[in-house]
Amino acid sequence: DIQMTQSPFTLSASVGDRVTITCRASQSINFWLAWYQQKPGKAPKVLIYRESTLQSGVPSRFSGSGSGTDFTLTISSLQPDDLATYYCQQYYTYPWTFGQGTKVEL
Amino acid sequence: EVHLLESGGGLVQPGGSLRLSCEASGLTFTDHGMTWVRQAPGKGLEWISGISESGGYSHYADSVQGRFTISRDNSKNTLFLQMKRLRAEDTAIYFCATQFGDYWGQGTLVTVSS
Repeated sequence: DIQMTQSPFTLSASVGDRVTITCRASQSINFWLAWYQQKPGKAPKVLIYRESTLQSGVPSRFSGSGSGTDFTLTISSLQPDDLATYYCQQYYTYPWTFGQGTKVEL
Repeated sequence: EVHLLESGGGLVQPGGSLRLSCEASGLTFTDHGMTWVRQAPGKGLEWISGISESGGYSHYADSVQGRFTISRDNSKNTLFLQMKRLRAEDTAIYFCATQFGDYWGQGTLVTVSS
């Protein structure tokens, strides 16, 4: 199975900060990577798919980059509504796998 | 508006069985592969199973392979997860979702405990 490793586990930031979360796959997944945002008690919400394509309705301050094994989710200017846990997920091959999550807090 | 509504969760003893359902509305069900994702209390997301649009192909995580079976009834816009030989570590909120995560249900809690 492909292992997805995110860093950091937690991230403390201030409103307006540029925030970067990284995700590393144990083998190449080309660009078959998605990023999800999950708030407490809620279902996850897809932000980005195919490594860098923004899901409809997602603010443009979110962006994704990378390829192969190393990927990045960037929030250009952190907003209070962005406080959540973020997960990467590979869908290159079954079983699909998630990273362990990165909690973004103030 | 798209809705995915899970049901069937509850308390079950170790070794027991449970069948989850996910009823879809507001979308063309046969246009979407479907998945089940679970989240143990205080833990991260775990993809556990997926099924193709027609139901002809299915895949499983190692942790549930041989114990869980995913299926769908396209005539009823419903996705299922049959869970057998349940273990304490299967305790989690179970979410159904479209294959690429566009739409999610609210989740149903499964607790495996004696």
